[in-house]
Amino acid sequence: EVQLVESGGGLVQPGGSLRLSCAASGFTFSSYWMSWVRQAPGKGLEWVANIKQDGSEKNYVDSVKGRFTISRDNAKNSLYLQLNSLRAEDTAVYFCARGGSEADYWGQGTLVTVSS
Amino acid sequence: DIQMTQSPSSLSASVGDRVTIACRASQGISSWLAWYQQKPEKAPKSLIYAASILQSGVPSRFSGSGSGTDFTLTISSLQPEDFATYYCQQYHTYPRTFGQGTKVEIK
Repeated sequence: EVQLVESGGGLVQPGGSLRLSCAASGFTFSSYWMSWVRQAPGKGLEWVANIKQDGSEKNYVDSVKGRFTISRDNAKNSLYLQLNSLRAEDTAVYFCARGGSEADYWGQGTLVTVSS
Repeated sequence: DIQMTQSPSSLSASVGDRVTIACRASQGISSWLAWYQQKPEKAPKSLIYAASILQSGVPSRFSGSGSGTDFTLTISSLQPEDFATYYCQQYHTYPRTFGQGTKVEIK
């Protein structure tokens, strides 16, 4: 059974940093593109970033370029999202998802709240 | 960026109704379109990819059609478990973009 479990969310002050993790199981992690998608409270879905199987290609939405970094550790079956210079508008549930185009499996998400 | 516009934004329907949700892309995306279902406080669930291919395990009452700029998601006979919000997403170009969502409510 495919499982994606996010962790690392929490309350952080504007300008602060956070590192999100996604633990994958039930499939060959190193064979798949992976993505992060976020959802602000009461709003729709927003694609954030994705990463190729070997980490050699990464893509980001403009609003996070230079602030967020996606990475992966295939030996640990884990996906990461480093969030720096956080802003109030980054407050959202962050979902990890399998796939770099359409996403066929999603984790339950981790909430990031940016507030003073 | 490619803008994805769904219509309607919400609808009320009864169990057994046929429901159609439209999704329009601001430029042609061939068939690079997916549909997702999301229930409150839950993760999205993949329903359809490549505009018309059902994900494994998705009931056959769901269907997708379209190509280019205009797409539809149809639920042939609405079931109680189908009340949710539905999103389309294009993956023709970066950044990937979603429609604003269509909330399907009980009449």
